[in-house]
Amino acid sequence: QKEVEQDPGPLSVPEGAIVSLNCTYSNSAFQYFMWYRQYSRKGPELLMYTYSSGNKEDGRFTAQVDKSSKYISLFIRDSQPSDSATYLCAMRGGVQGAQKLVFGQGTRLTINP
Amino acid sequence: SQTIHQWPATLVQPVGSPLSLECTVEGTSNPNLYWYRQAAGRGLQLLFYSVGIGQISSEVPQNLSASRPQDRQFILSSKKLLLSDSGFYLCAWSLGPNNQPQHFGDGTRLSIL
Repeated sequence: QKEVEQDPGPLSVPEGAIVSLNCTYSNSAFQYFMWYRQYSRKGPELLMYTYSSGNKEDGRFTAQVDKSSKYISLFIRDSQPSDSATYLCAMRGGVQGAQKLVFGQGTRLTINP
Repeated sequence: SQTIHQWPATLVQPVGSPLSLECTVEGTSNPNLYWYRQAAGRGLQLLFYSVGIGQISSEVPQNLSASRPQDRQFILSSKKLLLSDSGFYLCAWSLGPNNQPQHFGDGTRLSIL
C-alpha cells in the first residue's frame, strides 16, 4: 500500500465549476499537508500549507485536513482555464528540520472554457 | 524574496557519459536543499537532501551523487549515466530548522540516449 494515494485523473470540468481534489494517506505521523500546482514542464508551485486538522482558505482555494479519516482535500471555486494543471498533494511528519515530503502521484485537471 | 535557479532546463546525454546539474538559491542563507526525480505520471521521489555545506543525506541507492560546495549551491552528479536515469530532476529549498514548506525550481528534463 502506498503511503499517499491520489487519483491521477484526468479530471475535466467546465469553467466556473467547483473542483474537489483529494488524497488519502496511511501514516498517522503526518502533521503537515501541502498542495502544489504544477504546469507542464515547470516545477511544482506551493498553493496551500496546513498543519494538523481543519480548513484553510486562500482566495478561490480551500484546503481541508481530516486527520481522523487520514483524508485531505483541495477545493477550487469559480475554476478558470488557468487552473488547468497537475495538482500534487504532499505531506510530512512533525520533526523539525529537513524532512522528506511524501507526494501523491498528482491529479491532472483541465478547465474547459 | 528568495529565488531558486536550475540549469540546464533540458539535457540530452549518451549512456555512459557524466552528468552535472546545478541548483542555486538566492535571498536566504543556510537553506535546506533537496534533489527530487519525477517520473512521468508519478509523484516526486526524494533523492538527496542537505542541511549544510558538505552535509548530504541519500534517500535511495542509485547511480547518482550530490554535493554542496557552497551554502546556496547544490549539485547533482553522475560518473556514468544509465538509461534509467532519464527523468525530470527538481531542486527544492526550505528554511530550516522550523517546519517550513519546500519550494521548487523549474527542473531539468534529462534524456539519456
